[in-house]
Amino acid sequence: QVQLVQSGAEVKKPGASVKVSCKASGYTFTSDYIHWVRQAPGQGLEWMGIINPSGGSTSYAQKFQGRVTMTRDTSTSTVYMELSSLRSDDTAVYFCARGGEGRQLFFDYWGQGTLVTVSS
Amino acid sequence: IQLTQSPSFLSASVGDRVTITCRASQGISSYLAWYQKKLGKAPNLLIYAISTLQSGVPSRFRGSGSGTEFTLTISSLQPEDFATYYCQQLNSYPITFGQGTRLEIK
Repeated sequence: QVQLVQSGAEVKKPGASVKVSCKASGYTFTSDYIHWVRQAPGQGLEWMGIINPSGGSTSYAQKFQGRVTMTRDTSTSTVYMELSSLRSDDTAVYFCARGGEGRQLFFDYWGQGTLVTVSS
Repeated sequence: IQLTQSPSFLSASVGDRVTITCRASQGISSYLAWYQKKLGKAPNLLIYAISTLQSGVPSRFRGSGSGTEFTLTISSLQPEDFATYYCQQLNSYPITFGQGTRLEIK
């Protein structure tokens, strides 16, 4: 069965970076795209960007341009999302999700979420 | 593309029929999905392409609409349906979500 398993919770200080992993299994890793979505406490869902696990190409939401980097390791079927220059308002649960590219229909499988807390 | 859901909060009883509306700031063709989210869990895909029920989702969930106005209807609320619901447009980047509709037990 398709699974996306994320790394554990992180606590970071303002200005630091965090790297969250998302390990895929149960399907061909390079056949689908991975998106990252976050949810701050009491807030809605916010799309951060997309990575193509096959070629490694990425596209980021303008809000995160310059601060986010998405990478992948095909040998371990793992995607990474690194967010730098962390601020308190980056405190959120970060999700990876499987989807398509461009115009697409849905995100069908999601990771369990990783809580990132930014606090001094 | 901005998505505006209404209402933001809904109080209903088991067995009730409820409708949630999602309005897009511009046309999104059929690239509209609905998710259910419970506290501490990942979103769960309910409906995609406006009205296609995801495999395993009960038939009491129904999606409809076109152009810029879409609805999610739950025909007979069950206890497990009390959650927050989000619409999502996947027509163009950045992909966006509605602000959510929180459905609570009356």
